[in-house]
Amino acid sequence: DVKVTQSSRYLVKRTGEKVFLECVQDMDHENMFWYRQDPGLGLRLIYFSYDVKMKEKGDIPEGYSVSREKKERFSLILESASTNQTSMYLCASSLKLQGYEQYFGPGTRLTVT
Amino acid sequence: KQEVTQIPAALSVPEGENLVLNCSFTDSAIYNLQWFRQDPGKGLTSLLLIQSSQREQTSGRLNASLDKSSGRSTLYIAASQPGDSATYLCAVNDSGYALNFGKGTSLLVTP
Repeated sequence: DVKVTQSSRYLVKRTGEKVFLECVQDMDHENMFWYRQDPGLGLRLIYFSYDVKMKEKGDIPEGYSVSREKKERFSLILESASTNQTSMYLCASSLKLQGYEQYFGPGTRLTVT
Repeated sequence: KQEVTQIPAALSVPEGENLVLNCSFTDSAIYNLQWFRQDPGKGLTSLLLIQSSQREQTSGRLNASLDKSSGRSTLYIAASQPGDSATYLCAVNDSGYALNFGKGTSLLVTP
């Protein structure tokens, strides 16, 4: 079974802090994704990566950056956390891009105070 | 831009009923459609993936159909159980990478 893990289930940070969310997949998938989920807005793509050190912006990249130094690990970075980044963050991976199933991690509930 | 709509937004049924969840999308040029289940405060569990060339997929008590030309998919759940209570999300892949999600149907199965 594919396993996608995220470093924290719950996280509380202060405004202005630098925040790292980490995601690890164990199935040698090429692609990894970061989404955020908000009530009434659904899931929206922040960034994705199709290879080591390669990244593409999604629909809402502002205020975020990402890092993929190893194939199995994809990090989401909030350079200076703000209260409007309070959300559920979901990581996903897929073997390849077109036509392949995406598998999701358990999510990180981030609260910025 | 692709719009994905799920109707109804919420549904409550007694245990044992067969039920249908609906998903519609505006652009039929898709690679695939995926159905997910999400329990409160948790991540997404993939239930079924239907490729654009397929008409349906089955897994246990679940059956998903796809009518690409009309922009519709249905998820059929047979003999519902209280453990089926969750939010069900459909998502279409039309760009080759990102999934476009509907807002979900919140299902409650009462004993």
